[in-house]
Amino acid sequence: DAGITQSPRHKVTETGTPVTLRCHQTENHRYMYWYRQDPGHGLRLIHYSYGVKDTDKGEVSDGYSVSRSKTEDFLLTLESATSSQTSVYFCAISYSTSGGTDTQYFGPGTRLTVL
Amino acid sequence: AQKITQTQPGMFVQEKEAVTLDCTYDTSDPSYGLFWYKQPSSGEMIFLIYQGSYDQQNATEGRYSLNFQKARKSANLVISASQLGDSAMYFCAMRSTSGTYKYIFGTGTRLKVLA
Repeated sequence: DAGITQSPRHKVTETGTPVTLRCHQTENHRYMYWYRQDPGHGLRLIHYSYGVKDTDKGEVSDGYSVSRSKTEDFLLTLESATSSQTSVYFCAISYSTSGGTDTQYFGPGTRLTVL
Repeated sequence: AQKITQTQPGMFVQEKEAVTLDCTYDTSDPSYGLFWYKQPSSGEMIFLIYQGSYDQQNATEGRYSLNFQKARKSANLVISASQLGDSAMYFCAMRSTSGTYKYIFGTGTRLKVLA
């Protein structure tokens, strides 16, 4: 069990409002990721983190910011939500099990609707 | 640039039959990993199988096997003895093992197993 939780699981908000999604892991894995999933696009990387306060952009980072002040928490913020940011957001962590390679494991997802 | 292509938006298979889901990739990295994930209708992302670019043998995990053809840059997922519970969306993904820990995903294939 990768021990990843996301909150909230569902959110409806209005255009122009700020939104923060939280990803929490119960262990101290270094790599954490935020993706969005949209029909026909698969999963697209928004931002990822390789340590506390160490983050980098993914392919669809415009309109999103992230913060990681503790190893276990990775926050995704939409500064001013737009309807195009209506999506399902997945958090993931990457780590290796004993004898294996680094593999990515996902949280349950957050369904965000921007009206 | 790295790219994953899944050309089959949807597929049907009869229960107990085998099915192959196609995945081709493009990368200039000498070392990389290839992954398959399953997403049932409940929405969670489930890791299925991994293949390293230097692995000599094709990966297998129970009823899942990965048909890795490096020269053709293909990493097809084979599901043997399909079950109704295999009905889901399947995503192919790749990560470079030299450099960043970014993963890229294909657009997915929706598999429907028929009774």
